[in-house]
Amino acid sequence: AQSVTQPDIHITVSEGASLELRCNYSYGATPYLFWYVQSPGQGLQLLLKYFSGDTLVQGIKGFEAEFKRSQSSFNLRKPSVHWSDAAEYFCAVGAPEYGNKLVFGAGTILRVKS
Amino acid sequence: GAVVSQHPSRVICKSGTSVKIECRSLDFQATTMFWYRQFPKQSLMLMATSNEGSKATYEQGVEKDKFLINHASLTLSTLTVTSAHPEDSSFYICSARGTVTGNQPQHFGDGTRLSIL
Repeated sequence: AQSVTQPDIHITVSEGASLELRCNYSYGATPYLFWYVQSPGQGLQLLLKYFSGDTLVQGIKGFEAEFKRSQSSFNLRKPSVHWSDAAEYFCAVGAPEYGNKLVFGAGTILRVKS
Repeated sequence: GAVVSQHPSRVICKSGTSVKIECRSLDFQATTMFWYRQFPKQSLMLMATSNEGSKATYEQGVEKDKFLINHASLTLSTLTVTSAHPEDSSFYICSARGTVTGNQPQHFGDGTRLSIL
């Protein structure tokens, strides 16, 4: 079965600084990859997704992610963080042979300091 | 587009009560809906997958008689927590996907905070 690792439980960055959230997956082929963001007490909002093609994916709110097959990674990046980006970020993996169910990483809580 | 509405957003009730949570896709037809449970400071755990017009598929360890799922239409799925007890207190989130193929993202509702006294 597929699995997802988000190595960083918490990350704190200064407003205006760049951000990279790490995500590594375990799966034999190329899975479907997603990044979601969750504000406290709310559901998840899709930031971006990768299915195939260009390995650099652009998402909403200025986020991007790069799929690196050799490293089994799908790291999320943003060049300049805003205070409103403070939230919890989840990487998720889906695969056809597992019924396309999503497996989520443990999440990374992003704190933004002014 | 792709809005999913979940209701209610918060429920507080006594032990032994049954609670129904609704999940609606507002602007698309949801072939598949998913129900998740999220404990504090933890990730989402899939409880069950429901396809319109068929029985839900439950994940291992999830009691299907405890968590009743109905997906009677392409825009509505319900989760009923039967005879709820304090250990059922949690944050429940639904998601919906519009097509059968897997390479479409799930769109999530805003969740329901269930507190059993």
